Amino acid sequence: EDKVVQSPLSLVVHEGDTVTLNCSYEVTNFRSLLWYKQEKKAPTFLFMLTSSGIEKKSGRLSSILDKKELFSILNITATQTGDSAVYLCAVGSNTGKLIFGQGTTLQVKP
Amino acid sequence: EAGVAQSPRYKIIEKRQSVAFWCNPISGHATLYWYQQILGQGPKLLIQFQNNGVVDDSQLPKDRFSAERLKGVDSTLKIQPAKLEDSAVYLCASSLVEGPRRGAFFGQGTRLTVV
Repeated sequence: EDKVVQSPLSLVVHEGDTVTLNCSYEVTNFRSLLWYKQEKKAPTFLFMLTSSGIEKKSGRLSSILDKKELFSILNITATQTGDSAVYLCAVGSNTGKLIFGQGTTLQVKP
Repeated sequence: EAGVAQSPRYKIIEKRQSVAFWCNPISGHATLYWYQQILGQGPKLLIQFQNNGVVDDSQLPKDRFSAERLKGVDSTLKIQPAKLEDSAVYLCASSLVEGPRRGAFFGQGTRLTVV
């Protein structure tokens, strides 16, 4: 059975801290791994990763994929209160199926 | 670019009643997904359509849930009869056939409360 597992499930940090969120997967016919940010509404896209070892960056956020070990990490540096959200990892297969992990709830305190 | 539209935004029903949700995907997006997101959990895929055909409905509770996508555009998801455990946010998403450059685009969701 396809599955995506995220850790930790929740995290509390202070502004300025750096956090690392983890995502491991077992999915048949892997095509891509995606990271989303979800505040009190629909998930919004952050990154899509398809190749191992290539870091994607957007401001203070970065992500990398390891297709051999079947995991990805999402790093957030110099965290801000606006980074507080649920971070979702999803894996896409060749059939277009998109499977989500449980999410990591990040709370950034002032 | 217009996003994925869903309605209603909120719905409260009693258990054993029926309810329907509507989704209009982004124009040109052949793939449409319905997800159920229970509070504190990640979205769970209920059904995936490619145009008007079902690709995956393995986690759809078919004794009470049904979905259709007539003409390969709009879609409706129905629950009949509803149970208390169906209380969740129902998210609709769409993507291009070839594998989206930016993943699936999500609608704002319908928050269902079953009392």
